Amino acid sequence: SQTIHQWPATLVQPVGSPLSLECTVEGTSNPNLYWYRQAAGRGLQLLFYSVGIGQISSEVPQNLSASRPQDRQFILSSKKLLLSDSGFYLCAWSGAVAETQYFGPGTRLLVL
Amino acid sequence: SQQGEEDPQALSIQEGENATMNCSYKTSINNLQWYRQNSGRGLVHLILIRSNEREKHSGRLRVTLDTSKKSSSLLITASRAADTASYFCATAEGGYNKLIFGAGTRLAVHP
Repeated sequence: SQTIHQWPATLVQPVGSPLSLECTVEGTSNPNLYWYRQAAGRGLQLLFYSVGIGQISSEVPQNLSASRPQDRQFILSSKKLLLSDSGFYLCAWSGAVAETQYFGPGTRLLVL
Repeated sequence: SQQGEEDPQALSIQEGENATMNCSYKTSINNLQWYRQNSGRGLVHLILIRSNEREKHSGRLRVTLDTSKKSSSLLITASRAADTASYFCATAEGGYNKLIFGAGTRLAVHP
């Protein structure tokens, strides 16, 4: 069966510090991968998606970047965090031609 | 952009009652999906309904889709305290299965 992992689960970082959030998927190959951000009490905003190694599409201009160094690994990064980067970050995967997305447990980021 | 808008924003009911949540969207769709999120957790897929379907059932869940009104509803019958969660509708925009989520309905089921 397929599983998706995210770490860390929670993170408190000072403004201006770098960020690296990791997402890995097991039990499938060539998945589509997605990064979402959820503000408190709100819906999800799609940040990035990837359909293959090294292929990243950005949905909104922001202080974040994403990379996919391996087929089942998706990384969300920032060189300098802003207060507005605080939120709940969710990674998801889907089959290349499937419609349902499967979500990881999320990372709660607080920038102080 | 926000495609789906859920209504109501919050719903509080007693165990055993039915819960109905509505979702409206703006553009043409191939399918509409409903997800559930327990507090502080990831989302779990509940059900997908295609644009050529009008109603779909899964256990205690019933989803309807009215493409002429660009709306969908999720009915949870005989609710339980464990159904307490936020419920989101999502539609796919463009290619690559990019999902656009609404703001969600927070459901509280009281024992």
